[in-house]
Amino acid sequence: KNEVEQSPQNLTAQEGEFITINCSYSVGISALHWLQQHPGGGIVSLFMLSSGKKKHGRLIATINIQEKHSSLHITASHPRDSAVYICALRYNTDKLIFGTGTRLQVFP
Amino acid sequence: EAQVTQNPRYLITVTGKKLTVTCSQNMNHEYMSWYRQDPGLGLRQIYYSMNVEVTDKGDVPEGYKVSRKEKRNFPLILESPSPNQTSLYFCASRARLALRGTQYFGPGTRLTVL
Repeated sequence: KNEVEQSPQNLTAQEGEFITINCSYSVGISALHWLQQHPGGGIVSLFMLSSGKKKHGRLIATINIQEKHSSLHITASHPRDSAVYICALRYNTDKLIFGTGTRLQVFP
Repeated sequence: EAQVTQNPRYLITVTGKKLTVTCSQNMNHEYMSWYRQDPGLGLRQIYYSMNVEVTDKGDVPEGYKVSRKEKRNFPLILESPSPNQTSLYFCASRARLALRGTQYFGPGTRLTVL
């Protein structure tokens, strides 16, 4: 069983829709990261969470440590949000384990 | 401009010919890492470093070496590359006390081993 599972694997949406991407994990962690990988391959770090909720613009990330679950929400989605979104688990050192990603396509 | 640079960006080589991929950051970050990305397998960590002269294995360290002699540089060395090391490689760095935990990624190095 994988330590980290993301769902859905693929997601299509119309511009303006509310998007939710889920990440579930089975191990103890010190933090969880959300990353965005653009179609050109570049990777951008969106959030690092160890508890609660964070917001940056139209992006909201939440984590429930007891349930070992995190969600990434995109409000008022836009075609430029089309990318692969990846969650990653951080252990007490700097070791990272990655989910396989969620491919999001937002159509106008 | 804060950035992580990698060189080369593209490399085609042959089995067994030693190569080095350089990684440099200009943000005085303590932590640096190397990752590889393969279709169907996603990103996997190769090695990480928490400071100068401090390195540790990630998930897939076999066939790779690293060194951290200076804070800004973290080269990835393939002593005897093999075709299964054909991949897209990313270097990343972050500050130990980063409030947002932001990791900065390099642009990637696409390596093909024939």
